[in-house]
Amino acid sequence: DAKTTQPTSMDCAEGRAANLPCNHSTISGNEYVYWYRQIHSQGPQYIIHGLKNNETNEMASLIITEDRKSSTLILPHATLRDTAVYYCIVRGGSSYKLIFGSGTRLLVRP
Amino acid sequence: GAGVSQTPSNKVTEKGKYVELRCDPISGHTALYWYRQSLGQGPEFLIYFQGTGAADDSGLPNDRFFAVRPEGSVSTLKIQRTERGDSAVYLCASSAGAGSQETQYFGPGTRLLVL
Repeated sequence: DAKTTQPTSMDCAEGRAANLPCNHSTISGNEYVYWYRQIHSQGPQYIIHGLKNNETNEMASLIITEDRKSSTLILPHATLRDTAVYYCIVRGGSSYKLIFGSGTRLLVRP
Repeated sequence: GAGVSQTPSNKVTEKGKYVELRCDPISGHTALYWYRQSLGQGPEFLIYFQGTGAADDSGLPNDRFFAVRPEGSVSTLKIQRTERGDSAVYLCASSAGAGSQETQYFGPGTRLLVL
């Protein structure tokens, strides 16, 4: 599975959009981009995943560049409860493992 | 519906003791995974079950660690002769299948502290 690179930490103001970038320049054609987050003392929570098209659900939007070498997770109106570590994971066609990196620690400020 | 549940939520034991950690997956999920998370790090894969069989146990750190899933539902992670370095959060996840489109859903974890 391709390696991902994320900023160590970010912050944003409550009510504003949080845009979390992820670089996955070695991604191959059958690999999906997954996003999970982990709120303190809880298990990882699935957010969204995509292959090449942009995706949106009730939690977030996922924007994948045309060359698929990077993506951005967008939380449109961040709340204090969105403060968490966000993990970007690339997962291949036959791969069942999730390989977590260090993630981005997002702090939402009041 | 009910999510993945894990018991106990916290376990404190002494070095050298045996512990069992239990995972109840989402009903109907055939794939089950165990991960371990040390303080300040992301979760690391331990073992994956498809049905009753362990399809991949390559992440188990040594032979003190063993996991079973005898009826293809509940799984138990067993640690013998615990060491202080085993202290971590043990996470269980399940998914409907095992392909890369199958989302894994995690439980809250069991926090193990070995004194």
